[in-house]
Amino acid sequence: GAGVSQTPSNKVTEKGKYVELRCDPISGHTALYWYRQSLGQGPEFLIYFQGTGAADDSGLPNDRFFAVRPEGSVSTLKIQRTERGDSAVYLCASSLSPSETQYFGPGTRLLVL
Amino acid sequence: AQRVTQPEKLLSVFKGAPVELKCNYSYSGSPELFWYVQYSRQRLQLLLRHISRESIKGFTADLNKGETSFHLKKPFAQEEDSAMYYCALKGAGGYQKVTFGTGTKLQVIP
Repeated sequence: GAGVSQTPSNKVTEKGKYVELRCDPISGHTALYWYRQSLGQGPEFLIYFQGTGAADDSGLPNDRFFAVRPEGSVSTLKIQRTERGDSAVYLCASSLSPSETQYFGPGTRLLVL
Repeated sequence: AQRVTQPEKLLSVFKGAPVELKCNYSYSGSPELFWYVQYSRQRLQLLLRHISRESIKGFTADLNKGETSFHLKKPFAQEEDSAMYYCALKGAGGYQKVTFGTGTKLQVIP
């Protein structure tokens, strides 16, 4: 079956702009996670959804970052007033339940100029 | 706080040589440890988890709570093992945040 998909694969924007990154999890997976991976680093946790609700958003760096999952499937990560330091690969993962294996998407590479 | 340390950014070995990718962790409770792998131009995928106690693609890893380590080992490296390897940790049971190490690039020289 289809794996986790993310769009766009690449996004270039200017400092101060607003961006939205989309994640389509594996069908039936109730748990969804967002990570950020900066160059030379491992994935860094941002937020976890169980169903429609954000069960843990402790990894969001500041209030410019926000994520939604209104119908418990697709999720959107939203970044306001982007800064050059936001440049990174944003990874999405989903799992059948919180204790099951996380399956990762290909990531969205964000570049803020 | 939970922390995962992978001391080597790059590990180069010859084909057929043994491989050991080091991972040390810091966690106050009962941890679950994982190894993830990312092959060139592919997505991050789970290689193995300590609770499964299985060998995947010839790789094994044993959780040593005394030394707080979870090193990844393979007796004979193959060229197709060349990839980025990430060690990760989460607390046991239900949802727990996953913390990743910075990764080690394994380069197998033919």
